[in-house]
Amino acid sequence: AQSVTQLDSHVSVSEGTPVLLRCNYSSSYSPSLFWYVQHPNKGLQLLLKYTSAATLVKGINGFEAEFKKSETSFHLTKPSAHMSDAAEYFCVVSGSFQKLVFGTGTRLLVSP
Amino acid sequence: KAGVTQTPRYLIKTRGQQVTLSCSPISGHRSVSWYQQTPGQGLQFLFEYFSETQRNKGNFPGRFSGRQFSNSRSEMNVSTLELGDSALYLCASSLASDTQYFGPGTRLTVL
Repeated sequence: AQSVTQLDSHVSVSEGTPVLLRCNYSSSYSPSLFWYVQHPNKGLQLLLKYTSAATLVKGINGFEAEFKKSETSFHLTKPSAHMSDAAEYFCVVSGSFQKLVFGTGTRLLVSP
Repeated sequence: KAGVTQTPRYLIKTRGQQVTLSCSPISGHRSVSWYQQTPGQGLQFLFEYFSETQRNKGNFPGRFSGRQFSNSRSEMNVSTLELGDSALYLCASSLASDTQYFGPGTRLTVL
């Protein structure tokens, strides 16, 4: 069975500093992995997707993630945080027949 | 292209009632999935429909049901509502690939 573990429930950064949100996955086969973002009282927006084409995946709004099979990790990074990045971020693995398995989420707080 | 739309956006019901939520997928998308989001349990998969057939189902009681119409629009129904059914219900649509695009959700409050 597929699963993901988000290692931090909250991450606090200052505006303009780097962002690192950590995710480890478990999968019995080569997984499809995603990062989604959820702003307050909103639905989920797709940030990026990994499907084995390239280990470094670039997403929207300056985010990127690196797939590391040896470490079973798929961490999300951004070089410089913006106030508008404050939201909850979900690491997700795809299971059978479109079933997505979500991590517990990381709330990103950005201070001025 | 218009995104995934869900109606209504907010609902208030009382225990024992039933409720029907609606989801219209992105044009051309034939797969529709439903998820429940609560503070305690996080995001959990309910079921997925493709071409009017349920292909996958999560671990929810039989009070939760759904269907899909020939135009790919989908509805989910919850009967005999319980307080614990209060949640944000999210619908997502996709093409053949597994990339899912989410709607804004329906916030259900059960009193």
